[in-house]
Amino acid sequence: GQQLNQSPQSMFIQEGEDVSMNCTSSSIFNTWLWYKQDPGEGPVLLIALYKAGELTSNGRLTAQFGITRKDSFLNISASIPSDVGIYFCAGPRSQGGSEKLVFGKGTKLTVNP
Amino acid sequence: DGGITQSPKYLFRKEGQNVTLSCEQNLNHDAMYWYRQDPGQGLRLIYYSQIVNDFQKGDIAEGYSVSREKKESFPLTVTSAQKNPTAFYLCASSELGRRLWQFFGPGTRLTVL
Repeated sequence: GQQLNQSPQSMFIQEGEDVSMNCTSSSIFNTWLWYKQDPGEGPVLLIALYKAGELTSNGRLTAQFGITRKDSFLNISASIPSDVGIYFCAGPRSQGGSEKLVFGKGTKLTVNP
Repeated sequence: DGGITQSPKYLFRKEGQNVTLSCEQNLNHDAMYWYRQDPGQGLRLIYYSQIVNDFQKGDIAEGYSVSREKKESFPLTVTSAQKNPTAFYLCASSELGRRLWQFFGPGTRLTVL
Protein backbone atom coordinates (compact mmCIF):
# COMPACT_ATOMS: atom_id res chain seq x y z
CA GLY A 1 0.00 0.00 0.00
CA GLN A 2 0.95 3.63 -0.04
CA GLN A 3 3.53 4.51 2.60
CA LEU A 4 5.26 7.75 3.42
CA ASN A 5 8.85 7.82 4.60
CA GLN A 6 10.00 10.85 6.53
CA SER A 7 13.57 11.85 7.24
CA PRO A 8 15.25 12.55 9.43
CA GLN A 9 13.43 10.81 12.27
CA SER A 10 14.67 13.43 14.71
CA MET A 11 16.63 16.66 14.71
CA PHE A 12 18.40 18.58 17.44
CA ILE A 13 19.22 22.15 16.48
CA GLN A 14 20.14 25.47 18.00
CA GLU A 15 17.73 28.36 18.07
CA GLY A 16 18.13 30.46 14.96
CA GLU A 17 19.16 27.62 12.67
CA ASP A 18 17.25 26.65 9.56
CA VAL A 19 15.63 23.22 9.33
CA SER A 20 14.94 20.96 6.38
CA MET A 21 12.99 17.72 6.35
CA ASN A 22 11.46 15.60 3.65
CA CYS A 23 8.85 13.02 2.88
CA THR A 24 9.03 10.42 0.14
CA SER A 25 6.70 7.83 -1.30
CA SER A 26 6.91 4.98 -3.76
CA SER A 27 3.55 6.12 -5.16
CA ILE A 28 2.52 9.34 -6.81
CA PHE A 29 0.51 11.76 -4.68
CA ASN A 30 -1.68 14.56 -5.99
CA THR A 31 -1.76 16.37 -2.65
CA TRP A 32 0.74 16.78 0.15
CA LEU A 33 -0.09 18.01 3.62
CA TRP A 34 2.22 19.01 6.44
CA TYR A 35 1.05 18.89 10.06
CA LYS A 36 2.72 19.89 13.31
CA GLN A 37 1.98 18.19 16.61
CA ASP A 38 2.90 19.93 19.83
CA PRO A 39 3.75 17.58 22.71
CA GLY A 40 0.59 15.98 24.09
CA GLU A 41 -1.70 17.70 21.60
CA GLY A 42 -3.42 16.92 18.31
CA PRO A 43 -1.78 17.74 14.96
CA VAL A 44 -2.44 21.08 13.34
CA LEU A 45 -2.40 21.57 9.57
CA LEU A 46 0.44 23.88 8.49
CA ILE A 47 0.54 23.77 4.71
CA ALA A 48 -1.29 22.01 1.88
CA LEU A 49 0.23 21.50 -1.58
CA TYR A 50 -1.79 20.59 -4.66
CA LYS A 51 0.47 20.90 -7.69
CA ALA A 52 3.82 19.42 -8.69
CA GLY A 53 6.54 22.02 -8.23
CA GLU A 54 4.36 24.19 -6.01
CA LEU A 55 6.16 26.20 -3.36
CA THR A 56 4.02 27.53 -0.51
CA SER A 57 4.98 29.55 2.55
CA ASN A 58 3.33 30.07 5.91
CA GLY A 59 5.40 32.52 7.92
CA ARG A 60 8.82 30.98 8.49
CA LEU A 61 7.66 27.69 7.01
CA THR A 62 8.06 26.82 3.33
CA ALA A 63 6.93 23.58 1.74
CA GLN A 64 7.47 22.26 -1.75
CA PHE A 65 5.64 19.65 -3.81
CA GLY A 66 8.31 17.61 -5.58
CA ILE A 67 8.40 17.54 -9.37
CA THR A 68 8.20 13.75 -9.43
CA ARG A 69 5.07 13.95 -7.24
CA LYS A 70 6.67 11.33 -5.01
CA ASP A 71 8.20 13.68 -2.49
CA SER A 72 7.71 16.87 -0.53
CA PHE A 73 9.96 19.09 1.54
CA LEU A 74 9.41 21.32 4.55
CA ASN A 75 11.82 24.06 5.57
CA ILE A 76 11.73 26.17 8.71
CA SER A 77 13.84 29.29 8.78
CA ALA A 78 15.34 30.90 11.88
CA SER A 79 13.97 28.30 14.29
CA ILE A 80 12.59 29.34 17.68
CA PRO A 81 11.86 27.24 20.79
CA SER A 82 8.13 26.99 20.00
CA ASP A 83 8.97 25.14 16.78
CA VAL A 84 9.54 22.07 18.96
CA GLY A 85 7.23 19.21 18.08
CA ILE A 86 6.66 16.44 15.59
CA TYR A 87 6.15 17.30 11.94
CA PHE A 88 4.08 14.88 9.89
CA CYS A 89 3.58 14.69 6.18
CA ALA A 90 0.36 13.21 4.88
CA GLY A 91 -1.23 12.42 1.58
CA PRO A 92 -4.45 10.98 0.23
CA ARG A 93 -5.06 7.36 -0.54
CA SER A 94 -8.08 5.65 -1.97
CA GLN A 95 -9.72 2.87 -0.05
CA GLY A 96 -13.16 1.41 -0.41
CA GLY A 97 -14.21 4.10 -2.83
CA SER A 98 -13.39 6.96 -0.50
CA GLU A 99 -10.31 9.05 0.05
CA LYS A 100 -8.43 9.00 3.34
CA LEU A 101 -5.14 10.29 4.67
CA VAL A 102 -1.96 8.29 5.12
CA PHE A 103 0.65 9.75 7.48
CA GLY A 104 4.40 9.47 7.70
CA LYS A 105 5.98 8.55 11.03
CA GLY A 106 7.07 12.11 11.67
CA THR A 107 10.21 14.14 12.22
CA LYS A 108 10.73 15.11 15.84
CA LEU A 109 12.30 18.54 16.19
CA THR A 110 14.11 19.75 19.30
CA VAL A 111 15.30 23.36 19.46
CA ASN A 112 17.89 24.30 22.04
CA PRO A 113 17.66 27.92 23.22
CA ASP B 1 -15.32 28.92 19.30
CA GLY B 2 -15.65 26.07 16.87
CA GLY B 3 -13.56 23.02 17.41
CA ILE B 4 -13.21 19.41 18.47
CA THR B 5 -13.22 18.31 22.06
CA GLN B 6 -12.04 15.01 23.42
CA SER B 7 -12.51 13.92 26.97
CA PRO B 8 -10.94 13.00 29.21
CA LYS B 9 -7.35 14.00 28.46
CA TYR B 10 -5.99 11.07 30.47
CA LEU B 11 -7.77 7.78 31.11
CA PHE B 12 -6.71 4.78 33.13
CA ARG B 13 -8.41 1.42 32.98
CA LYS B 14 -7.82 -2.06 34.22
CA GLU B 15 -7.10 -4.79 31.71
CA GLY B 16 -10.26 -6.52 30.55
CA GLN B 17 -12.52 -3.49 30.89
CA ASN B 18 -14.20 -1.73 28.00
CA VAL B 19 -13.71 2.03 27.86
CA THR B 20 -15.39 4.72 25.76
CA LEU B 21 -13.58 7.81 24.52
CA SER B 22 -15.61 10.88 23.76
CA CYS B 23 -15.30 13.09 20.66
CA GLU B 24 -17.55 16.08 19.99
CA GLN B 25 -17.29 18.71 17.25
CA ASN B 26 -19.23 21.90 16.61
CA LEU B 27 -17.72 22.60 13.19
CA ASN B 28 -20.76 21.18 11.39
CA HIS B 29 -18.47 18.66 9.70
CA ASP B 30 -20.01 15.57 8.17
CA ALA B 31 -16.95 13.32 8.35
CA MET B 32 -15.27 12.18 11.56
CA TYR B 33 -12.29 9.94 12.17
CA TRP B 34 -10.48 8.07 14.93
CA TYR B 35 -6.72 7.56 14.83
CA ARG B 36 -4.33 5.78 17.10
CA GLN B 37 -0.81 7.08 17.71
CA ASP B 38 2.01 5.08 19.28
CA PRO B 39 5.46 6.51 20.13
CA GLY B 40 7.56 7.02 17.03
CA GLN B 41 4.69 6.07 14.78
CA GLY B 42 2.45 7.97 12.47
CA LEU B 43 -1.28 8.10 12.84
CA ARG B 44 -3.18 4.93 12.02
CA LEU B 45 -6.86 5.05 11.10
CA ILE B 46 -9.20 3.03 13.31
CA TYR B 47 -12.67 3.99 12.09
CA TYR B 48 -14.25 6.79 10.11
CA SER B 49 -17.76 8.04 9.46
CA GLN B 50 -18.95 10.17 6.57
CA ILE B 51 -22.55 10.51 7.65
CA VAL B 52 -24.77 9.90 10.64
CA ASN B 53 -25.59 6.24 11.28
CA ASP B 54 -22.84 5.06 8.95
CA PHE B 55 -19.20 4.23 9.62
CA GLN B 56 -16.39 2.24 8.06
CA LYS B 57 -13.42 0.30 9.37
CA GLY B 58 -9.98 1.77 8.94
CA ASP B 59 -6.65 -0.06 9.01
CA ILE B 60 -6.72 -1.23 12.63
CA ALA B 61 -10.39 -1.64 13.60
CA GLU B 62 -10.03 -4.94 15.46
CA GLY B 63 -10.88 -4.55 19.14
CA TYR B 64 -12.62 -1.20 18.64
CA SER B 65 -16.20 -0.13 18.03
CA VAL B 66 -17.86 3.19 17.21
CA SER B 67 -21.28 4.74 16.82
CA ARG B 68 -22.51 7.85 14.97
CA GLU B 69 -25.96 8.65 16.27
CA LYS B 70 -25.46 12.40 16.02
CA LYS B 71 -23.53 14.52 13.56
CA GLU B 72 -21.60 16.17 16.37
CA SER B 73 -20.52 13.03 18.20
CA PHE B 74 -18.36 10.01 17.32
CA PRO B 75 -17.49 8.00 20.45
CA LEU B 76 -14.91 5.23 20.31
CA THR B 77 -15.10 2.13 22.52
CA VAL B 78 -11.89 0.27 23.21
CA THR B 79 -12.98 -3.25 24.01
CA SER B 80 -11.25 -5.93 26.02
CA ALA B 81 -10.53 -7.66 22.70
CA GLN B 82 -7.98 -4.97 21.81
CA LYS B 83 -4.68 -6.64 22.68
CA ASN B 84 -2.57 -3.54 23.16
CA PRO B 85 -4.90 -0.64 23.98
CA THR B 86 -2.45 1.71 25.67
CA ALA B 87 -1.95 4.57 23.20
CA PHE B 88 -2.75 8.17 22.33
CA TYR B 89 -6.12 8.42 20.57
CA LEU B 90 -6.93 11.28 18.25
CA CYS B 91 -10.29 12.27 16.84
CA ALA B 92 -10.59 14.40 13.71
CA SER B 93 -13.30 15.84 11.50
CA SER B 94 -13.58 17.31 8.04
CA GLU B 95 -16.10 18.66 5.59
CA LEU B 96 -17.35 15.95 3.28
CA GLY B 97 -16.15 17.80 0.20
CA ARG B 98 -12.73 18.48 1.74
CA ARG B 99 -11.85 15.20 3.40
CA LEU B 100 -8.14 15.88 3.34
CA TRP B 101 -8.48 19.00 5.49
CA GLN B 102 -8.83 17.21 8.77
CA PHE B 103 -9.02 19.10 12.05
CA PHE B 104 -7.84 17.23 15.11
CA GLY B 105 -8.91 17.23 18.72
CA PRO B 106 -6.41 17.42 21.59
CA GLY B 107 -6.32 13.64 22.05
CA THR B 108 -6.93 11.20 24.89
CA ARG B 109 -4.07 9.24 26.38
CA LEU B 110 -5.37 5.81 27.44
CA THR B 111 -3.33 3.68 29.79
CA VAL B 112 -4.46 0.15 30.53
CA LEU B 113 -2.97 -1.26 33.71
